[in-house]
Amino acid sequence: GENVEQHPSTLSVQEGDSAVIKCTYSDSASNYFPWYKQELGKRPQLIIDIRSNVGEKKDQRIAVTLNKTAKHFSLHITETQPEDSAVYFCAATGGSYIPTFGRGTSLIVHP
Amino acid sequence: SQTIHQWPATLVQPVGSPLSLECTVEGTSNPNLYWYRQAAGRGLQLLFYSVGIGQISSEVPQNLSASRPQDRQFILSSKKLLLSDSGFYLCAWSVPSGRNEQFFGPGTRLTVL
Repeated sequence: GENVEQHPSTLSVQEGDSAVIKCTYSDSASNYFPWYKQELGKRPQLIIDIRSNVGEKKDQRIAVTLNKTAKHFSLHITETQPEDSAVYFCAATGGSYIPTFGRGTSLIVHP
Repeated sequence: SQTIHQWPATLVQPVGSPLSLECTVEGTSNPNLYWYRQAAGRGLQLLFYSVGIGQISSEVPQNLSASRPQDRQFILSSKKLLLSDSGFYLCAWSVPSGRNEQFFGPGTRLTVL
């Protein structure tokens, strides 16, 4: 089955800095890669996703890049703000149509 | 538009007591349905998923069970709770075809004492 590794587990940045979270996956059949943001005590919510026919996708301050050859994808957040503080999960969905989640990254943005 | 409901929002139960958590989805038909558990500060553990009425797949062996008595209703149950069952339980749905976004419910915080 699919295996997703996510790093780092904790990321601390100053407001205005950039943050990068990286994930690797094992199943070459995976072709959908969402990123979810979960604020404390709340439900995870999709913030951006990418499919395997695209190498990069941007939405304002967030972007996702995908390297199919190396089987890794990354979330980039620029000009971080305190409200970006949350746990971020990556996921990969392969032939089973069931997503496999990474273990999460706790992002802390210091004002 | 589609909405997903879970109840109760919080629950405190003694060890050995039964459990029933309910999830319903509105505004869509034949969704894929999922139950996840999240221990404090940890990731999302997939417990069960269902692609149709009466069709349940279990991802981990445990004292929990799931049922889907109606198309948009998903129930998580236990006959006897363990301390280790404490956590944040999330129901989610996705469209049935292909690989797509999951929509999560508000969650149930279960504490077993």
